[in-house]
Amino acid sequence: TQLLEQSPQFLSIQEGENLTVYCNSSSVFSSLQWYRQEPGEGPVLLVTVVTGGEVKKLKRLTFQFGDARKDSSLHITAAQPGDTGLYLCAGSGSARQLTFGSGTQLTVLP
Amino acid sequence: NAGVTQTPKFRVLKTGQSMTLLCAQDMNHEYMYWYRQDPGMGLRLIHYSVGEGTTAKGEVPDGYNVSRLKKQNFLLGLESAAPSQTSVYFCASRRTGGGYEQYFGPGTRLTVT
Repeated sequence: TQLLEQSPQFLSIQEGENLTVYCNSSSVFSSLQWYRQEPGEGPVLLVTVVTGGEVKKLKRLTFQFGDARKDSSLHITAAQPGDTGLYLCAGSGSARQLTFGSGTQLTVLP
Repeated sequence: NAGVTQTPKFRVLKTGQSMTLLCAQDMNHEYMYWYRQDPGMGLRLIHYSVGEGTTAKGEVPDGYNVSRLKKQNFLLGLESAAPSQTSVYFCASRRTGGGYEQYFGPGTRLTVT
């Protein structure tokens, strides 16, 4: 069974601060996705990373896939209250299933 | 284009009762999934389907059954509900081929008393 560990589980910061969320596994994944989930809704895809060492940027969000494709990080620069939500990483080991991390609940205070 | 819809949004059951959750997608996706989400545990896969008429077990299948009689619908059944099945249930779908992006429904909040 492939497991994904996310840290931290909870993060509360002030508007304008930077933060990094980590997603780690002992397993190799063919790709890794990051989703954001808002209360009362289903997760929505932010990004997919496929190549070891890959870095993708989405406005103030920077996603990195580890060289060995076992870990990933999400860095947010100058966080805003609109970034508040549950961030989930998900790894694809087989083409048919995703393994989800336990999530990081981010709260950005104005 | 509604995407993925789930029925009902909320439900309260007594222990031992049965119910069916309905998931429908209008994107002509081959793959469909049922997850449960519990605090601090992310999303756990219950069952999934890779096409009409096919189903397979996920990580936590016990106590649940599924059917995919039509490509656009994926049903999740609880034959005899237990308090441990209190959770938020999400359905998702995705197309075949690259990307693996899954599209999620809004969820069903189920409470078993």
